[in-house]
Amino acid sequence: DVKVTQSSRYLVKRTGEKVFLECVQDMDHENMFWYRQDPGLGLRLIYFSYDVKMKEKGDIPEGYSVSREKKERFSLILESASTNQTSMYLCASTWARPSYNEQFFGPGTRLTVL
Amino acid sequence: QKEVEQDPGPLSVPEGAIVSLNCTYSNSAFQYFMWYRQYSRKGPELLMYTYSSGNKEDGRFTAQVDKSSKYISLFIRDSQPSDSATYLCATGGNTDKLIFGTGTRLQVFP
Repeated sequence: DVKVTQSSRYLVKRTGEKVFLECVQDMDHENMFWYRQDPGLGLRLIYFSYDVKMKEKGDIPEGYSVSREKKERFSLILESASTNQTSMYLCASTWARPSYNEQFFGPGTRLTVL
Repeated sequence: QKEVEQDPGPLSVPEGAIVSLNCTYSNSAFQYFMWYRQYSRKGPELLMYTYSSGNKEDGRFTAQVDKSSKYISLFIRDSQPSDSATYLCATGGNTDKLIFGTGTRLQVFP
């Protein structure tokens, strides 16, 4: 079974803090994605990566950065957390491009920024 | 206009009912159509996948794509309380990105 794990299920941070969200997949997938999910807005793509050290901006990259130093690990970084970044963050992975192969999702991290 | 539109619901039906979930999309270049199911406090998981127009059936679930009207449907027959979840449609073309609908919350009561 494909497994995508995320470092935390729930996280509470303060405005201005640097936040790291980590995602690990165990199926040797090339592509990895970070989304945020908000009521009424659905899933929105923040960043994705199709190879180690490669990254591409998604639809809403502002305020975020990513790191992919190893194939199985994709990190999302909030350099200076703000209250409007309170959301559910979902990581996903899939095989080589194109990404309309099945995306496997992690359980999500619910981040609250106070 | 959003690229994919989906009624957020909630949709509440009795056990055994036939459920119809729908999305519309705007880009005629989209070729791949998916339905994901998301249980509460879990990540989405792929339920159905279709390419281009037509129907695909898997047990109690049928996915239908009408490219002429840019309409995607998911039908659930003999709905069960365990089908209670949020259902997200998703579509994509020849890029690396999937476009997701906002999701429809379905509640099946005994």
